[in-house]
Amino acid sequence: GQNIDQPTEMTATEGAIVQINCTYQTSGFNGLFWYQQHAGEAPTFLSYNVLDGLEEKGRFSSFLSRSKGYSYLLLKELQMKDSASYLCAVMDSNYQLIWGAGTKLIIKP
Amino acid sequence: SQTIHQWPATLVQPVGSPLSLECTVEGTSNPNLYWYRQAAGRGLQLLFYSVGIGQISSEVPQNLSASRPQDRQFILSSKKLLLSDSGFYLCAWSRADSNTGELFFGEGSRLTVL
Repeated sequence: GQNIDQPTEMTATEGAIVQINCTYQTSGFNGLFWYQQHAGEAPTFLSYNVLDGLEEKGRFSSFLSRSKGYSYLLLKELQMKDSASYLCAVMDSNYQLIWGAGTKLIIKP
Repeated sequence: SQTIHQWPATLVQPVGSPLSLECTVEGTSNPNLYWYRQAAGRGLQLLFYSVGIGQISSEVPQNLSASRPQDRQFILSSKKLLLSDSGFYLCAWSRADSNTGELFFGEGSRLTVL
């Protein structure tokens, strides 16, 4: 079966750096997405990786290793507004998105 | 710019009652449209997707149905709600010609079935 694994919850301190990992097992691979979702709101797009390596976008970076079935989202200079759930999703060979359950990130002052 | 709206934002319905959630997209043509359900502690579950008017694909057999009467309108319905239908429902769209498949989500509709 297809599976996306990410930690359920993480806690970090304001101003620090946090890395959220995602491992996947899917039938084929056509890209990996990270979305941010604040409580009670819709997910919003953060990043897309289809080739190995690091993609940097401001305070957020996303890394992909296709051979290891692994990605991480790196958040730097954490702010209180970064408290949210972070969803990892992989597009399989049929171009269907397989979603992880999300990682709830709690930022403490 | 493109926008997506869905409504109602919240609703409380008794078991056995009907359901209608509506979603509209503005600023784009021939979008791919999706209905997802999000349960606590679980990943987004794709319920239906549509690549054109009247073209609906169902991913999960259940007592829900979807319709696309117009290019940018997507409706989720049920004739008789079950307790298990409670959840957070999200409408989304993507560009038909996108090479990344990025999804743009509506605001979400929280359904509580009592």
